[in-house]
Amino acid sequence: EVQLVEYGGGLVQPGGSLRLSCAASGFTFSDYYISWVRQAPGKGLEWVGFVRSKAYGGSTEYAASVKGRFTISRDDSKSVAYLQMNSLKTEDTAVYYCSREYYYEANDYWGQGTLVTVSS
Amino acid sequence: DIQMTQSPSSLSASVGDRVTITCRASQGISNYLAWYQQKPGKVPKLLISAASILQSGVPSRFSGSGSGTDFTLTISSLQPEDVATYYCQKYDRVPRSFGQGTKVEIK
Repeated sequence: EVQLVEYGGGLVQPGGSLRLSCAASGFTFSDYYISWVRQAPGKGLEWVGFVRSKAYGGSTEYAASVKGRFTISRDDSKSVAYLQMNSLKTEDTAVYYCSREYYYEANDYWGQGTLVTVSS
Repeated sequence: DIQMTQSPSSLSASVGDRVTITCRASQGISNYLAWYQQKPGKVPKLLISAASILQSGVPSRFSGSGSGTDFTLTISSLQPEDVATYYCQKYDRVPRSFGQGTKVEIK
């Protein structure tokens, strides 16, 4: 069974940092891109970025709203992806989901999400 | 960047009604378009990929069509369990933008 589980959410002050983890099981992790999508309270879905599979270079892409502040990485040996969030702003408050994406296919499995609250 | 615009932003329909949601891309995206259903308090669920491919286990009352810039999600006979917000997403290139969502309610 395909599973994606996010960890690491919580309360952080503006300007602070937080690292989210996405632990995967039930599929060949290294074959897939891993995406991060967020949803602010009462709002719609916002694509954050992804890390490509090693077969496609393992490079990353980001939304303009987080570029330069967020970093996505992966450890295929552990089947885990990470979202390092620095210089957090109150507008980064959201539920953060990870999901898998095969090359030029839609995100078919999603984690349950983890809440990040940026507040003083 | 390509913008994704959904309409309407919300709708209310009766059980059994045919419901249509549209998604328009500001530039052509071929058929790299997905539809997701998000029920209140739940995780988004992939309904349709490649504009028209129904995912396994998704009821056949859901269908998708379109290519290029104009896409449609249709629910042929609305059921109470279809109450949700529906999102389109482009995945031809980055950014992988979502539409703003369409909230579907029962009248």
